[in-house]
Amino acid sequence: DSGVTQTPKHLITATGQRVTLRCSPRSGDLSVYWYQQSLDQGLQFLIQYYNGEERAKGNILERFSAQQFPDLHSELNLSSLELGDSALYFCASSPRGQRSYNEQFFGPGTRLTVL
Amino acid sequence: GENVEQHPSTLSVQEGDSAVIKCTYSDSASNYFPWYKQELGKRPQLIIDIRSNVGEKKDQRIAVTLNKTAKHFSLHITETQPEDSAVYFCAASNLQGAQKLVFGQGTRLTINP
Repeated sequence: DSGVTQTPKHLITATGQRVTLRCSPRSGDLSVYWYQQSLDQGLQFLIQYYNGEERAKGNILERFSAQQFPDLHSELNLSSLELGDSALYFCASSPRGQRSYNEQFFGPGTRLTVL
Repeated sequence: GENVEQHPSTLSVQEGDSAVIKCTYSDSASNYFPWYKQELGKRPQLIIDIRSNVGEKKDQRIAVTLNKTAKHFSLHITETQPEDSAVYFCAASNLQGAQKLVFGQGTRLTINP
């Protein structure tokens, strides 16, 4: 158990719908990262937050958005869902965002299935 | 941006033999190189990492080597055991930059008894 929690574990929805994935980082970790893992794309970085502020963006679609709240939990919102959005979505956290240390701890993931 | 290439995509070895997985990266600013192990349906778990000021790091049966000049880094697993069977991912990151992890495509390692 990495200490990072994600809910829900599984999500099944229809095309065109909107869903919210939730992540709670390890206690004390200020940085949260979101990754998408699909069969043909591997692990792809989506977005990073540090202490409530967006720090970096990857190839995140405009239909996707995220935020980090004052209690440091983060939510990833996916809208106008398409079949190709079906994937495992992982959240990871790292300690304090210190530049000399970047070990990222992954949560168990949310498996999204779009029908 | 950074690009990480990982080879081979699949690797099958006999129990007790060694396994080597290789990665190359493109961004010379990358200075942190972790390796993750992912079992089916589970989270990636960090097994070893190396920073650019170090050429080699060992942890029991696992070692990682880094060649900054060639932009290569490799994972070595010795005395392989059935529980080593999993998908292994290399990654690269710039600790002075965005710190995001850029992953290789993964290697499915199978240990044959």
